[in-house]
Amino acid sequence: EVQVVESGGGLVQPGGSLRLSCAASGFTFSTYAMNWVRQAPGKGLEWVSTINGGGTITHYADSVKGRFTISRDNSKNTLFLQMNSLRAEDTAVYYCAKCRGYSGYDDVDYWGQGTLVTVSS
Amino acid sequence: DIVMTQSPDSLAVSLGERATINCKSSQSVLYFSNNENYLAWYQQKLGQPPKLLIYWASTRESGVPDRFSGSGSGTDFTLTISSLQAEDVAVYYCHQYYSIPYTFGQGTKLEIK
Repeated sequence: EVQVVESGGGLVQPGGSLRLSCAASGFTFSTYAMNWVRQAPGKGLEWVSTINGGGTITHYADSVKGRFTISRDNSKNTLFLQMNSLRAEDTAVYYCAKCRGYSGYDDVDYWGQGTLVTVSS
Repeated sequence: DIVMTQSPDSLAVSLGERATINCKSSQSVLYFSNNENYLAWYQQKLGQPPKLLIYWASTRESGVPDRFSGSGSGTDFTLTISSLQAEDVAVYYCHQYYSIPYTFGQGTKLEIK
């Protein structure tokens, strides 16, 4: 059974940093691209970042480019999102989401339960 | 960026009746080399993560009831629930994965009339 479990969310002050993790199981992690998608309270879904299965190609939304870094450790079946220079508008539930294929040019076929990031003083 | 616009924003349908949600993309999401539309539909129930219903515009994900169907091509797409059940109350999102940045529609809230 496919499982992705996010962790690392919490309350952080504006300008601060946070590192999210996503532990994956139930599938061959290195053969699938992974995403981070966020949802602000009461709002819709916003794509944040994608990384291919090998970890060699990454893409970012303009809203986080230069501040967030996506990475993965295929030996530990874990996806990361390093978030720096956090702003109030980054407050959201962050979902770890598995792609259907290796490249990332695919639909998301499985979502984790999400982890809440709150940026506030 | 490809803008995804859903209509209506909210919808109330009687149990057993048909529900139709539309999604329009600001440019085509049809990839001519494989003749596939890079368009998916997700269902999000209150307090839960999204769940994939349809991909490639019309392919039903494994385990999704056959009352859910997707249609359309190019820039205009439709999600149809043929006979609404109580458990279908949710927000529905369309999503294009044709080009980065990937984008979602604003969501359509489906309720029981």
